[in-house]
Amino acid sequence: EAQVTQNPRYLITVTGKKLTVTCSQNMNHEYMSWYRQDPGLGLRQIYYSMNVEVTDKGDVPEGYKVSRKEKRNFPLILESPSPNQTSLYFCASNKGGGGEAFFGQGTRLTVV
Amino acid sequence: KQEVTQIPAALSVPEGENLVLNCSFTDSAIYNLQWFRQDPGKGLTSLLLIQSSQREQTSGRLNASLDKSSGRSTLYIAASQPGDSATYLCAVRDNNDMRFGAGTRLTVKP
Repeated sequence: EAQVTQNPRYLITVTGKKLTVTCSQNMNHEYMSWYRQDPGLGLRQIYYSMNVEVTDKGDVPEGYKVSRKEKRNFPLILESPSPNQTSLYFCASNKGGGGEAFFGQGTRLTVV
Repeated sequence: KQEVTQIPAALSVPEGENLVLNCSFTDSAIYNLQWFRQDPGKGLTSLLLIQSSQREQTSGRLNASLDKSSGRSTLYIAASQPGDSATYLCAVRDNNDMRFGAGTRLTVKP
């Protein structure tokens, strides 16, 4: 089954404690991206990757890092999380160009 | 920079009614437009994808149209059911960026 898998689904952490949210897709898609969703602000892109070792900033990259060492994986790293990074995070993938986008089930992160 | 607007922000209808959700975008140079459904606190479920060269797509009771030149798309839901209650998001893809509207929260009353 074609899918994008994120882990964990829920995470509560403390300010400053490094964390990684994993994302994996099984469709051999070149393009992957991360979004955060906040009430009243909608979905905003954090980072995207057009292929292995190619990443670029989206609209709200501050406080986040990503890496793309393998085509299937695109982890989101928060080196020093802060409460304003409390949000619902989504990973997505699609074939390059006009392909349909597939989304993971989301990771609800709370930073206290 | 692409901006995507969805109207109305919220809609409440009785069961069985046909309804239309609207999506507009400012830059017509898009690859495609995708409609999603999102239940509260859940992920995004893809409903329909319209490529820039297409005018409409249909899936069951759903029909999405695209008028690229005017920067508009509509999602038509026929014979609405309580199970259709959710937030509907449209997203346009241009180059390597996908831009979302704020969504329309639909409530279908039994």
